[in-house]
Amino acid sequence: AQSVTQLDSQVPVFEEAPVELRCNYSSSVSVYLFWYVQYPNQGLQLLLKYLSGSTLVKGINGFEAEFNKSQTSFHLRKPSVHISDTAEYFCAVSDQDSSASKIIFGSGTRLSIRP
Amino acid sequence: GAVVSQHPSRVICKSGTSVKIECRSLDFQATTMFWYRQFPKKSLMLMATSNEGSKATYEQGVEKDKFLINHASLTLSTLTVTSAHPEDSSFYICSAASGGEAFFGQGTRLTVV
Repeated sequence: AQSVTQLDSQVPVFEEAPVELRCNYSSSVSVYLFWYVQYPNQGLQLLLKYLSGSTLVKGINGFEAEFNKSQTSFHLRKPSVHISDTAEYFCAVSDQDSSASKIIFGSGTRLSIRP
Repeated sequence: GAVVSQHPSRVICKSGTSVKIECRSLDFQATTMFWYRQFPKKSLMLMATSNEGSKATYEQGVEKDKFLINHASLTLSTLTVTSAHPEDSSFYICSAASGGEAFFGQGTRLTVV
């Protein structure tokens, strides 16, 4: 079974400052890793994903994440945030052996941007 | 990317009634879909795996008689909340996989009064 831990439930950041949202996972098998964003009262939007290959993954809206197998981490970063980045961010994992993409989510991190 | 449509986006029902939520894959076929529940300010909890043509697989602690899932075709899965109570009020989201990637519906906010 897989699990995902997002240590920070809330992260306040000033506009144009850099941000890192932390994510650690646990699994006995190889996994795929994802970051999703959820704006208030909306569904989920995929920011980026790691399936294989380069450990540095670039996504939409200027976000990137780095897969670190030895530390079982997949932290999300953005060099300069905007007010529009205010949202809930979820790290997620799925089993590579599962073709059906059953995804397990972390508890989420609320990113709030201060002007 | 692939599109998953969920309907309705918002529903209010009286306590004791049943509510059906639809999840459709619009431009691809999905033999497997997933249903999640999200409590306010919480994460998404996987409720069940919906399998086309067979019974759904429920996660531990989810009442299968309370949350009926039907996956009668390759593009449609339905979740029926039976005899709804205020504690069933939540945000329900479905997903379907295409090309190894999961695509999510817009979610359904259920309020039971």
